[in-house]
Amino acid sequence: DGGITQSPKYLFRKEGQNVTLSCEQNLNHDAMYWYRQDPGQGLRLIYYSQIVNDFQKGDIAEGYSVSREKKESFPLTVTSAQKNPTAFYLCASTPAGQAHQPQHFGDGTRLSIL
Amino acid sequence: QQQVKQSPQSLIVQKGGISIINCAYENTAFDYFPWYQQFPGKGPALLIAIRPDVSEKKEGRFTISFNKSAKQFSLHIMDSQPGDSATYFCAARGSSNTGKLIFGQGTTLQVKP
Repeated sequence: DGGITQSPKYLFRKEGQNVTLSCEQNLNHDAMYWYRQDPGQGLRLIYYSQIVNDFQKGDIAEGYSVSREKKESFPLTVTSAQKNPTAFYLCASTPAGQAHQPQHFGDGTRLSIL
Repeated sequence: QQQVKQSPQSLIVQKGGISIINCAYENTAFDYFPWYQQFPGKGPALLIAIRPDVSEKKEGRFTISFNKSAKQFSLHIMDSQPGDSATYFCAARGSSNTGKLIFGQGTTLQVKP
């Protein structure tokens, strides 16, 4: 079945540590997105990528980094510069350039501080 | 303005009742308005979506009403069921080229049996 796989489901970060969240899709979608979800704040865009080897900052990119070396993969690194990393992180994808195509989401990674 | 304002924050409805969630936006360039449903521990899933040239769209028990002049749109869930208990997000897309969505703050719906 086609879909988006996020791993791990739960992740714990120690002080000063960088952690990487995985996002893989087999939908052949061009565009991929990372969101952060906090209670009562909806989903906020961290980074997005429309093609391989290219990505753009979203609204809350500080303290995060991404790469897009393959079409199907868009990993997110939460760096030690992100002082409040505890949140639910969601990855999404969509066919790029097609009007009215919905974003498909993975089931998220919950990140907590140890 | 790139915000989408959603209300209420939480909603309790009796089984069989109508659930109504409202959203408002400022940017007239938004061209696509999806609603997502999210269960605990899961990612959001597309429920229903509408374009601004349509005033209403219905899919089963779910209806979107869209008022372009007022820059408002709403989700109506008819005959609400306990299985509808979830968090609902409205969203708006600013550019079909990037596909970027602006999300509302979310509404937690509880349907009591």
